[in-house]
Amino acid sequence: AQTVTQSQPEMSVQEAETVTLSCTYDTSESDYYLFWYKQPPSRQMILVIRQEAYKQQNATENRFSVNFQKAAKSFSLKISDSQLGDAAMYFCADNAGGTSYGKLTFGQGTILTVHP
Amino acid sequence: NAGVTQTPKFRVLKTGQSMTLLCAQDMNHEYMYWYRQDPGMGLRLIHYSVGEGTTAKGEVPDGYNVSRLKKQNFLLGLESAAPSQTSVYFCASTPTGVYGYTFGSGTRLTVV
Repeated sequence: AQTVTQSQPEMSVQEAETVTLSCTYDTSESDYYLFWYKQPPSRQMILVIRQEAYKQQNATENRFSVNFQKAAKSFSLKISDSQLGDAAMYFCADNAGGTSYGKLTFGQGTILTVHP
Repeated sequence: NAGVTQTPKFRVLKTGQSMTLLCAQDMNHEYMYWYRQDPGMGLRLIHYSVGEGTTAKGEVPDGYNVSRLKKQNFLLGLESAAPSQTSVYFCASTPTGVYGYTFGSGTRLTVV
């Protein structure tokens, strides 16, 4: 069974500063996809960024970027120039690819607080 | 531009009652999923469907049933609700297995 671990239950950052959220995963597949989702207090799940495992280049979406270390099975999310609207629960997720039919395994989540 | 719509948004049930949660998507996605979210446990997969007329069990299927009679709808049923089923339920869909999900807004269910 796949596991995804987010070892930081809570993190905090000052507005305009940078924060990194950690995620490790455990999959035996060679072709898979990794995701970060944001869940603000509204409860809506929002896709932040997606990484294809066979691509060595780290994915970037505006202020959000990842540090993908395939050998270490690590997939951290870096948020630059943090804004108050970034405050949310963040979930890392792993899609085993192949015949997994898109099933995602989620980590436990990290609550991010942004201080003005 | 509805995306994925879940109904109801909130519900309180008494132990032993039954109910059905409805998920509807208007994006012609093949794959649909039901997850539950509990504090400290992330989201866990209950059941999923890879196309009209198909369903399969996920990680935590006990106490739930599903049906997908039409491609756009995925129903989650609780036949006899238990307090352990108090949770937030999310429906999601995706066109294929390699893309991220589009989520519904969730249903908060309390079983007393």
